[in-house]
Amino acid sequence: QKEVEQNSGPLSVPEGAIASLNCTYSDRGSQSFFWYRQYSGKSPELIMFIYSNGDKEDGRFTAQLNKASQYVSLLIRDSQPSDSATYLCAVMDSNYQLIWGAGTKLIIKP
Amino acid sequence: SAVISQKPSRDICQRGTSLTIQCQVDSQVTMMFWYRQQPGQSLTLIATANQGSEATYESGFVIDKFPISRPNLTFSTLTVSNMSPEDSSIYLCSVEAEEGVDGYTFGSGTRLTVV
Repeated sequence: QKEVEQNSGPLSVPEGAIASLNCTYSDRGSQSFFWYRQYSGKSPELIMFIYSNGDKEDGRFTAQLNKASQYVSLLIRDSQPSDSATYLCAVMDSNYQLIWGAGTKLIIKP
Repeated sequence: SAVISQKPSRDICQRGTSLTIQCQVDSQVTMMFWYRQQPGQSLTLIATANQGSEATYESGFVIDKFPISRPNLTFSTLTVSNMSPEDSSIYLCSVEAEEGVDGYTFGSGTRLTVV
């Protein structure tokens, strides 16, 4: 059973600080990794994707991938109250199936 | 990226009845995906719909309960049949965000309550 694991949280971070969200996956053959943001009552929104080991930056967001350790993380710099949401990690496995984590609830405290 | 119009946005239905959810995409897409998300939980794939062929259902989901139509490359419907309170959930359709780019975009979702 291929799995994607996330801490459910909630993760509480002060405004302006760095929020760090983590995700581990079981299928070593996985190739594509995604972070989605989901506001309460809304549908998931793709915010980052990463394919290669290392860091990928987009504005205040940085995705980090370490295939050897089978984890992917999302850093949010200068956290804002509008970043408060549930963050879903999704991994496309070696069979091109998209496996979803259960999500981490992030709360940014003003 | 692709934009999906999904409707209805919400409905309250009597048990034993059926509801059909529609998704219209503003561009042609090969595959459309139907998901269920129960409160506080992650996404569960129900089926993948390709135009011109029968949908492929995931384990635990069957065509008699969740019939899907895919008449063309921009439209699909999911029907939730013979509903019970356990079917209360959010139903989402999804397509590739952009051609050649991994990652998916979602419709706005249908919040279904069965009473």
